[in-house]
Amino acid sequence: QSVVTQPPSASGTPGQRVTISCSGSSSNIGSNTVNWYQQLPGTAPKLLIYNNNQRPSGVPDRFSGSKSGTSASLAISGLQSEDEADYYCAAWDDSLHGPVFGGGTKLTVL
Amino acid sequence: EVQLVESGGGLVQPGGSLRLSCAASGFTFSTYSMNWVRQAPGKGLEWVSHIGISGSPIYYADAVKGRFTISGDNSKNSLYLQMNSLRAEDTAVYYCTAYSTSSLIEFWGQGTLVTVSS
Repeated sequence: QSVVTQPPSASGTPGQRVTISCSGSSSNIGSNTVNWYQQLPGTAPKLLIYNNNQRPSGVPDRFSGSKSGTSASLAISGLQSEDEADYYCAAWDDSLHGPVFGGGTKLTVL
Repeated sequence: EVQLVESGGGLVQPGGSLRLSCAASGFTFSTYSMNWVRQAPGKGLEWVSHIGISGSPIYYADAVKGRFTISGDNSKNSLYLQMNSLRAEDTAVYYCTAYSTSSLIEFWGQGTLVTVSS
């Protein structure tokens, strides 16, 4: 059971906007930045959002991140079939002295 | 181009040992902190160990403390994970990650599979 909580699943239709939530505590999200990762089947995780809301080069601006207090969220607008993947949030935890990951959210594009 | 290439995975019997390596290129290795993260088959991501810039500080997840040792070699731009007393529950794909404390960006390797089974 992860100390950072994500919904196990989410879904949307093409073109729709979906959001994925990530809930933590004062020792992780509340005091450190949040990263989001996309993992396509059979591949390594790919950094999607870093420092709460920054996109690495090459990540479409359809993906956006936000953080408030001990929670964060990932928004995907203009949903596309290729967005079907597992999404993970993560933040450094000051108590565990390491990054903690959410349990992951499986996004299905209907 | 930033690259992290893991190697050293394979099949090992319970109680055995394995040493993973991660070769880094395309960035100044000595200025990044590094982590090992693993993913058991069909499961989520789990942090394993951290080593800071210049080799300090070092931290381990409780699940591997006392059995795994992380180290780095700036002269070879490489990260290592010595894994001893391996258990079935250590079976996973192991990823190395590099984190910049200045830009806050992070890079990931493609992973190496470790299977612990008799």
